[in-house]
Amino acid sequence: AQSVTQLGSHVSVSEGALVLLRCNYSSSVPPYLFWYVQYPNQGLQLLLKYTTGATLVKGINGFEAEFKKSETSFHLTKPSAHMSDAAEYFCAVRAFSGGYNKLIFGAGTRLAVHP
Amino acid sequence: EAQVTQNPRYLITVTGKKLTVTCSQNMNHEYMSWYRQDPGLGLRQIYYSMNVEVTDKGDVPEGYKVSRKEKRNFPLILESPSPNQTSLYFCASSSDRAGANVLTFGAGSRLTVL
Repeated sequence: AQSVTQLGSHVSVSEGALVLLRCNYSSSVPPYLFWYVQYPNQGLQLLLKYTTGATLVKGINGFEAEFKKSETSFHLTKPSAHMSDAAEYFCAVRAFSGGYNKLIFGAGTRLAVHP
Repeated sequence: EAQVTQNPRYLITVTGKKLTVTCSQNMNHEYMSWYRQDPGLGLRQIYYSMNVEVTDKGDVPEGYKVSRKEKRNFPLILESPSPNQTSLYFCASSSDRAGANVLTFGAGSRLTVL
């Protein structure tokens, strides 16, 4: 069965510092992987996704993630944090169950950015 | 604007008082789903619908009902709410005919059951 583990429920960085949010997955088939972001009082929105092909995926707002099959990881990075990046981030893996696709979400990582 | 609209955004109710959270999308998506978000647990799927009149249970369906009479609407019904249903609820839709892929989420409905 597919699953997702996000390491660290809270991450705090200084403005301008590297952002690294960790995600490990478990999947018995080649995975489709996603990162979603939730800004305060808003719904989730897609940051980026990996399906097949290039393992380094670029998303919106300067974020990128690298699919590493050998490590079963899909960590999210951004070279320089901005105050507006403060949000909760969810990693997800697509699973096939009962004849349809569903997304399995991790528990989320709340990113705080301080001046 | 392409969007998923949920109402109400905030609701406080009492145990046992039936309530409905509405969800509507304007993107002609076939797939719709409800999730609840709880601290430390992420998002868990309550129910989903692959198309009109086709609904099925997700991972945490107990205490909830849904209906899909029209393509655009997918209301979540709590027949007899209990305090353990206090949560943040999200409706989402997808154009993927095979189910969830890239999901468009509503803004969320925060429910408190006293």
